[in-house]
Amino acid sequence: GESVGLHLPTLSVQEGDNSIINCAYSNSASDYFIWYKQESGKGPQFIIDIRSNMDKRQGQRVTVLLNKTVKHLSLQIAATQPGDSAVYFCAENGRGKLIFGQGTELSVKP
Amino acid sequence: GAVVSQHPSWVICKSGTSVKIECRSLDFQATTMFWYRQFPKQSLMLMATSNEGSKATYEQGVEKDKFLINHASLTLSTLTVTSAHPEDSSFYICSARSKGQVAGNTIYFGEGSWLTVV
Repeated sequence: GESVGLHLPTLSVQEGDNSIINCAYSNSASDYFIWYKQESGKGPQFIIDIRSNMDKRQGQRVTVLLNKTVKHLSLQIAATQPGDSAVYFCAENGRGKLIFGQGTELSVKP
Repeated sequence: GAVVSQHPSWVICKSGTSVKIECRSLDFQATTMFWYRQFPKQSLMLMATSNEGSKATYEQGVEKDKFLINHASLTLSTLTVTSAHPEDSSFYICSARSKGQVAGNTIYFGEGSWLTVV
């Protein structure tokens, strides 16, 4: 199966700080990108998405940035809370299927 | 919101036996379902794409005779792990997309099924 990266990096932040999670995607033809949050033992939960004709999209406390030139996505979480602790995955939609990229484990210190 | 249900949530089976995992879309018709496998501390790896009424499309390296996928109706897809071995122990997750939807928030994920082969 396809995936981008098999090892899970970690990011530790202090409660209240902003978090930035990065992701590199593989297919320059992908037209749609999604960020998911996954808590231990559960399925992925949708956070925010962005189409390839955009470079920024904001949601509640979250912002996604897309740089197609270098095939890079980032997720910014403002005022990170303990409940944000989870693994975050980017996913790219291309050729009719959703391929998950490298995940990042976010740990929020109180 | 739409719900995708997986059953069982966890299962233990003996090596050499087969086990079936069900994925149901509870309040929408899912023309496409995806099956993923996830090992601890790793990403979700797409195994196959299943379209209602047709054969599943498997990703490279996934044995179609070992991981049988059936999508017989618009609300049900099943994954059968045949002749299971301990290395098949993993977290299996399905997702479902309704017809014509491409937006991420209309791709719904199940809660996953833990398979342990002993």
